[in-house]
Amino acid sequence: ETGVTQTPRHLVMGMTNKKSLKCEQHLGHNAMYWYKQSAKKPLELMFVYNFKEQTENNSVPSRFSPECPNSSHLFLHLHTLQPEDSALYLCASSRPGLSSYEQYFGPGTRLTVT
Amino acid sequence: DQQVKQNSPSLSVQEGRISILNCDYTNSMFDYFLWYKKYPAEGPTFLISISSIKDKNEDGRFTVFLNKSAKHLSLHIVPSQPGDSAVYFCAASGGGSQGNLIFGKGTKLSVKP
Repeated sequence: ETGVTQTPRHLVMGMTNKKSLKCEQHLGHNAMYWYKQSAKKPLELMFVYNFKEQTENNSVPSRFSPECPNSSHLFLHLHTLQPEDSALYLCASSRPGLSSYEQYFGPGTRLTVT
Repeated sequence: DQQVKQNSPSLSVQEGRISILNCDYTNSMFDYFLWYKKYPAEGPTFLISISSIKDKNEDGRFTVFLNKSAKHLSLHIVPSQPGDSAVYFCAASGGGSQGNLIFGKGTKLSVKP
């Protein structure tokens, strides 16, 4: 248990559906991250939030829409996804600044787009 | 092009022996390196890190070595235990993007009893 929870753990959705992934951290951190891990590829950083402000958008398509209402919660809203978006989506959190290197990950949401 | 490379997808080691996992990087601006460990159905967990001002960092059975001139780092686990069987990811950061980690593809370590 790392103090970072993600729901749902598994999600199957059609290309026309709209769904949301949720992440919650209980560590008092102020930075939160979304990563994507596709098969046979490294983890790819998608979005970074520091103190609820988005500080990084790593050229992610607009069909992925993040939301960070407070420092403890992070959402990833999904709409009109493609089959190639099927992957493991990981949320992480950290303290800001120099301590931000040590990130604490949730267990991930396994997403399948049909 | 990958900036962080783990060229061995898998490694098998006998219990009690040393495990050596390797990682190469291409960006000379990286100034902080980390190793994460991942069990199936769990997220990666932080294991050990090293700053570019050092060439070695040790924590119990785990030691990370950094060779900046070769742009190479390695993780040594000694002695290896069956519970160390997991996927190990190398990650790097720097160049002004604090917290933005660049990960390798991972090496799956199997420690056999």
